[in-house]
Amino acid sequence: GAGVSQSPSNKVTEKGKDVELRCDPISGHTALYWYRQRLGQGLEFLIYFQGNSAPDKSGLPSDRFSAERTGESVSTLTIQRTQQEDSAVYLCASSPRQGAYEQYFGPGTRLTVT
Amino acid sequence: SQKIEQNSEALNIQEGKTATLTCNYTNYSPAYLQWYRQDPGRGPVFLLLIRENEKEKRKERLKVTFDTTLKQSLFHITASQPADSATYLCALDRYGGSQGNLIFGKGTKLSVKP
Repeated sequence: GAGVSQSPSNKVTEKGKDVELRCDPISGHTALYWYRQRLGQGLEFLIYFQGNSAPDKSGLPSDRFSAERTGESVSTLTIQRTQQEDSAVYLCASSPRQGAYEQYFGPGTRLTVT
Repeated sequence: SQKIEQNSEALNIQEGKTATLTCNYTNYSPAYLQWYRQDPGRGPVFLLLIRENEKEKRKERLKVTFDTTLKQSLFHITASQPADSATYLCALDRYGGSQGNLIFGKGTKLSVKP
C-alpha cells in the first residue's frame, strides 16, 4: 500500500515568509510525528499527534512553529516568519497506534530559507 | 531526561566482515529499543525492535542485543555488503514507557568497502 507522503519535496523561501508543509500518513495510522533534521545532524522531535488526544508539542522550538492534524489523516506543519536556521529537512512519520510500534517515515521536505 | 549516545560517528569495515554498532542510553531503562537505517536524502526505515525482556533479536543478517545492566544495545550486521552502507539510528521511548514518542540517537555512518 501507499506509504507516508510529504509535500512539497523541496521548498525555497525568503526569510520572513510563512511556509506550510504537508504530511499524508498511512491510512489507519493513528499516531503521527514531525521531526526536523539539520544537515549532518540527528532527528529532532517537534510534535506528536495520537488520535484525539492533545498533541505533545514539547519539541516545537518556538511559537513560530505550529502543527495541525485533521482527524487521523493529513497534518500540516506551519512555520511563520521563517529564519535561516529553520533550513532543514522536515520529516513526518506515522505509526499504527500509540505504543511500541515502528514508525514509517516519509521522504521529507527540504526547506531552504534564503 | 533520557539521552542516547551512539559511540561512533563513522565505522568503516571490509566487505564480508561483521559490523558492530553501539547504542548507549542514560537514566531509566526503556521498555524497548528500535533500530533504523537511513540512506542519504531519505527518511529512516525501521529494522528491528527489541523489548526489555529480550536479550537478543535476529532478522536475516541482522542481530540486536539489549543489556539493561550496561544500558546498551549492540547492532550487528554479519557478512556485510557494500549495500549495507548507510547511517544506522537507535531510538527509544522518550518518556521511558511505551508511548511511542521516540528519541533518536545521532546515528553511526557505516561504510562497507568491497
